[in-house]
Order: sequence, then C-alpha cells, then structure tokens
Amino acid sequence: GAGVSQSPSNKVTEKGKDVELRCDPISGHTALYWYRQSLGQGLEFLIYFQGNSAPDKSGLPSDRFSAERTGGSVSTLTIQRTQQEDSAVYLCASSLTLTSGDGYTFGSGTRLTVV
Amino acid sequence: KQEVTQIPAALSVPEGENLVLNCSFTDSAIYNLQWFRQDPGKGLTSLLLIQSSQREQTSGRLNASLDKSSGRSTLYIAASQPGDSATYLCAGKETSGSRLTFGEGTQLTVNP
Repeated sequence: GAGVSQSPSNKVTEKGKDVELRCDPISGHTALYWYRQSLGQGLEFLIYFQGNSAPDKSGLPSDRFSAERTGGSVSTLTIQRTQQEDSAVYLCASSLTLTSGDGYTFGSGTRLTVV
Repeated sequence: KQEVTQIPAALSVPEGENLVLNCSFTDSAIYNLQWFRQDPGKGLTSLLLIQSSQREQTSGRLNASLDKSSGRSTLYIAASQPGDSATYLCAGKETSGSRLTFGEGTQLTVNP
C-alpha cells in the first residue's frame, strides 16, 4: 500500500478483555516496529520484526502483550486481560530493512482506551 | 544505551519568526537521525532524515543539521506559520541497533 495502515483507529474496551491491534506495513518493507505513546509521554519501543528472523520482544511491558507477523507482512499486537494503564496510542512503523539507513514510516496509530 | 533529549519542551513564538529546535544524543555512534512532526491525536509524519555521513538536510522552510562529535541535531524552521504548530520529535537510530530512540518532543505553538 501507499502507507502504513493501522486498524482500528480507536478502540474502547472494558478492563480484563483482550484486544487485537492490526498493522499493515508498506509493501516491500521487511522491518516492522510497534511503539506505544501514553498521554504526555514519549514513544516507548515495544517490539520489532525483521523478515523471518526472531523478533526483538525486549520492549514488551508484560507477558500480557504479544505480537505476530504473518507471512512477513501484516502484524497483530495482542493485549490480554487489558488494564487501565494499557490505555495509550499504539503506533506501528515500517522501514525497508532493519539495518538500512532508510527512515521509518509511521501509521496513524490506534488509540486504545481501557475503561 | 542511546538517550535523546529535546530542549525546549515547549516553545511559543509569533508568526513569521525563525526558530531552532534542539536535540542532543549521548551515543555518537549514531546511524541516522530523523525528525518527525506529530499533530494532536495523530501519528508521526517524517520531516527530514539525516544519515551519519551527512551534515544537513533541507526541505522547504525546514533545515536539519547533524553534528555527531557534539551529539547534537537542530531543526531550523524559517518564517514560522500557525500551521507549523505541532509537537516535533527527533529520533536516533543506533549503528548496531535496530530501533529508533525518541526524544520527549518540543511542543511548538506559532501565534497568528
């Protein structure tokens, strides 16, 4: 596609429910990243994927968070048993490769509100 | 571990003024540095990307510089307009790493 697409744009969920956030990167981009931005905070790295390599999950805040990337394209970030502190904007980005000098292109984000 | 700092945290200027936003980073082994703009409730829009071998990049009224030896980057905005009001983020990519490390951002308000 022309840009990074994220869905849904907004999600309100009840505490304790599971949610899935979707990211569709730019076609041909092999590297995909998830970041989180809490209200008034900077961007917090969560996870990245590069091709078929094992993802770097070092930024995931707890084992309630997981992510998959199927077929080297679309990625899904899953949050189980959501908590109010999970409320944030979840941003996805892609780049041509992990180690290239290309910049990141971000999607518009998913605003998650846990009530 | 790379740390990125942006000063000031907020800036308010009258329309037409030229201004400079500052970004500093702790690890000079930086691969590239990217400036982004974020409007309220929106995602990030890439403005300029500077490779470690470059000194500056220009796009329209924007000019970004990179000085690896001093660990600094600046974003210069000429003839500011109310439409420039947004949060500006700088982010560095480490040489051996894979992720961008972001500063906290500078919230810019340009008053008509």
